[in-house]
This record gives sequence, C-alpha cells and structure tokens, in this order.
Amino acid sequence: KQEVTQIPAALSVPEGENLVLNCSFTDSAIYNLQWFRQDPGKGLTSLLLIQSSQREQTSGRLNASLDKSSGRSTLYIAASQPGDSATYLCAVFSQGGKLIFGQGTELSVKP
Amino acid sequence: GAVVSQHPSRVICKSGTSVKIECRSLDFQATTMFWYRQFPKQSLMLMATSNEGSKATYEQGVEKDKFLINHASLTLSTLTVTSAHPEDSSFYICSASTQGQGAGGYTFGSGTRLTVV
Repeated sequence: KQEVTQIPAALSVPEGENLVLNCSFTDSAIYNLQWFRQDPGKGLTSLLLIQSSQREQTSGRLNASLDKSSGRSTLYIAASQPGDSATYLCAVFSQGGKLIFGQGTELSVKP
Repeated sequence: GAVVSQHPSRVICKSGTSVKIECRSLDFQATTMFWYRQFPKQSLMLMATSNEGSKATYEQGVEKDKFLINHASLTLSTLTVTSAHPEDSSFYICSASTQGQGAGGYTFGSGTRLTVV
C-alpha cells in the first residue's frame, strides 16, 4: 500500500529565504509525482508534474526533484515571498491507479 | 490548460436531506474522475473513482449507499450525499486527468464546502 509522507508539517520563514519541502513515498512503482498548492478553503493548484522517467521540473522560482529509487521528492522554493504562504501537497500516481496524497506542509512566509 | 469546474462551492443543508455536487471537465473528456474528502487541517482522502458508463469504485470504509456517484458522460460526474448528517460536513473535491493513467497530471476542481445543520 502506497504511503506518502511530507516533512515538515509546518514551516515558517522570513521573506527572501530559499526553502525545501520534502516528500517521501514507500512504493517506487509510480507513474508520476505532482506538487500542488492549496490556499485555505480552496481547491488545489498544480505546481509541477514529474514523470517517473524524469529527475526534475522547474517553473519560475520552483524546482521539484524526483529520486524514484529512494522514494523521495523535494520542492525547492527560491526567494520566498509572503504570497507563497499556503499548504503544499505532494501526490504520487501509482500503478494501482490512484493519486495518493501526503499530509501537506503548511508554509508561512513572514514579511 | 485543463479546467475542472465544481459546483456548488458552498452548500448548507438540513440533516436528513440529500445534496448533489457536480464536477465537470470543461475542455477535455475524462473517462475517470476522482472524488476526495478533506477534513480541516488534514490531507485529501480518496473516496471513490468515478468511471464513465460504469459503477464507481469505492475506497474501503466509504459507504456506497451514502455517497452516490454517477458518471453519465465524459465530462460530468456527480456525487450525491444522501441523508446527510452533521458528520458528513466536510470539503469535497473532484479531480480528473487529461490523459489515461494520469500521465498528464491531475486537475482539481475548486472544492465544495458542505455544512450539514
């Protein structure tokens, strides 16, 4: 059974800092891994999608890496801004045909 | 890009009544859609997989008769919470993929906040 874990559960940083969010999964047989952002009371916004054959994806100040063999992914946010404050979720799409989510990391960027 | 529309965004209903939530893929066809439930400060819990033209597949512990799913077309799936009770109050979100096996990643609706009073 696939299990996805995110560390830390919460993170507070001053504006301008670079930061790393971690995601680990127990079953390396995945199709892809996706990072999402969720604002309070809202739906999910897709940030980055990494296919199982890829090592990383970049979009603006965001960079996500994937090490399938070790069951890990990181989301790197450069030069953080208060507008980055949200909950970040990683999810893996496994060969079982399901998208399984981690618990999320609640990020707060202080001005 | 792919857009999934979910309606309503908020609904308040009386205990014992039923509520229908719609999930539409606006610019693509989705043979499979997923329904999730999210409690405050918690992650998304997969409830069921909605398959166009066939019965939904429910996750363990999810009551089929309480959460009725209908996927009548390639662009519409509905979740009906029957005989709702206060413990059904939650945030419900649907998702769909533009490609088979989620190869194109998943797009999520904006969610429905259900409050049962």
